[in-house]
Amino acid sequence: EAQVTQNPRYLITVTGKKLTVTCSQNMNHEYMSWYRQDPGLGLRQIYYSMNVEVTDKGDVPEGYKVSRKEKRNFPLILESPSPNQTSLYFCASSLFGRGDNQPQHFGDGTRLSIL
Amino acid sequence: GQNIDQPTEMTATEGAIVQINCTYQTSGFNGLFWYQQHAGEAPTFLSYNVLDGLEEKGRFSSFLSRSKGYSYLLLKELQMKDSASYLCAVLNSGYALNFGKGTSLLVTP
Repeated sequence: EAQVTQNPRYLITVTGKKLTVTCSQNMNHEYMSWYRQDPGLGLRQIYYSMNVEVTDKGDVPEGYKVSRKEKRNFPLILESPSPNQTSLYFCASSLFGRGDNQPQHFGDGTRLSIL
Repeated sequence: GQNIDQPTEMTATEGAIVQINCTYQTSGFNGLFWYQQHAGEAPTFLSYNVLDGLEEKGRFSSFLSRSKGYSYLLLKELQMKDSASYLCAVLNSGYALNFGKGTSLLVTP
């Protein structure tokens, strides 16, 4: 089954404690992306990657890091989380940039609370 | 910069037709998407427009005018389950995907 898998689904942690949210897709997609969603602000893109070892900043990259060492995985790293990073996070993948802009497949989301 | 505007809230009656508008200003254009999202869930794809005109998919249609930076999503024969948020998103020339803040649609009996 084609899917994007995020882990964990829920996490409560404390300020400053490094954390990683993993994202994996099984569709051989080149394009992967991370979003955060906050009430009244909609979905905002954090980082995206057009291919292995290629990453670009989205609208709100501050405080986040990503890496793309393999095509299937695109982890989101919060080196020193702060309360303003409390949010609902979505990972997505697609074939954007391959001449066929088919829609993204989204993961189920990660609800992150930073105390 | 990127700017995508859509109404915050709309209300419509079961069985009716509703049109949700989206205007955009982005750095280049590689297509416009509409997604539906129920609270706490991932967005699900509804439609994609890259050329001007109307795309129809069952009860849902989407229209695009690139020269006007304008799109709309048309929902016909509204059902209670159509109560959700509807997200307009534009893929720019650098392949960044920018979303509007979403339109919350309430369908009433």
